[in-house]
Amino acid sequence: DAGVIQSPRHEVTEMGQEVTLRCKPISGHNSLFWYRQTMMRGLELLIYFNNNVPIDDSGMPEDRFSAKMPNASFSTLKIQPSEPRDSAVYFCASSLFGGYNQPQHFGDGTRLSIL
Amino acid sequence: TQLLEQSPQFLSIQEGENLTVYCNSSSVFSSLQWYRQEPGEGPVLLVTVVTGGEVKKLKRLTFQFGDARKDSSLHITAAQPGDTGLYLCAGAGSGAGSYQLTFGKGTKLSVIP
Repeated sequence: DAGVIQSPRHEVTEMGQEVTLRCKPISGHNSLFWYRQTMMRGLELLIYFNNNVPIDDSGMPEDRFSAKMPNASFSTLKIQPSEPRDSAVYFCASSLFGGYNQPQHFGDGTRLSIL
Repeated sequence: TQLLEQSPQFLSIQEGENLTVYCNSSSVFSSLQWYRQEPGEGPVLLVTVVTGGEVKKLKRLTFQFGDARKDSSLHITAAQPGDTGLYLCAGAGSGAGSYQLTFGKGTKLSVIP
């Protein structure tokens, strides 16, 4: 079975540019999570969707970050304008449903470098 | 804010040695998950422990959840090079917040052949 698919795998862009990260969750999973991983802060939850609806976006750093989930098989995380401190690995994860000890299945991440 | 502290941060051992890594918090979690992450990949779930005092075994890996559900440990017996990776613990909230996993920063394990 296909796992969580993220694209692109790597993105290098200049400060001020718009960045769009994409995620296709596992079919049948109704919960989707976006995380950011850095050496300093580890894995941090940015936003959680349940049935395509954003439930918790308290982890989104600031207004430059936005996320959408137009349907059950696609989500985007957008940064506009990007800044060097946004450089990190961004992961998307999905689970059958949120909570209740459900395992989260992670994609292989997008390594983002903002110059 | 719930925090999970993992120790040690880095561990380098010879093949065949035993090791234990720790995950500690002052907060109570409804469950705790352990993940392993390899370079260039996302974390992969190893185990979930739910009950205080619970012990789960996965081949050479033994996971224990503390009685008070605030801490956990992972013990690896006779480590193999294939065990190399970043081990992450993640605590789940309770009730309406049970979807939320708080991750530790991980223990980076290197097993030298």
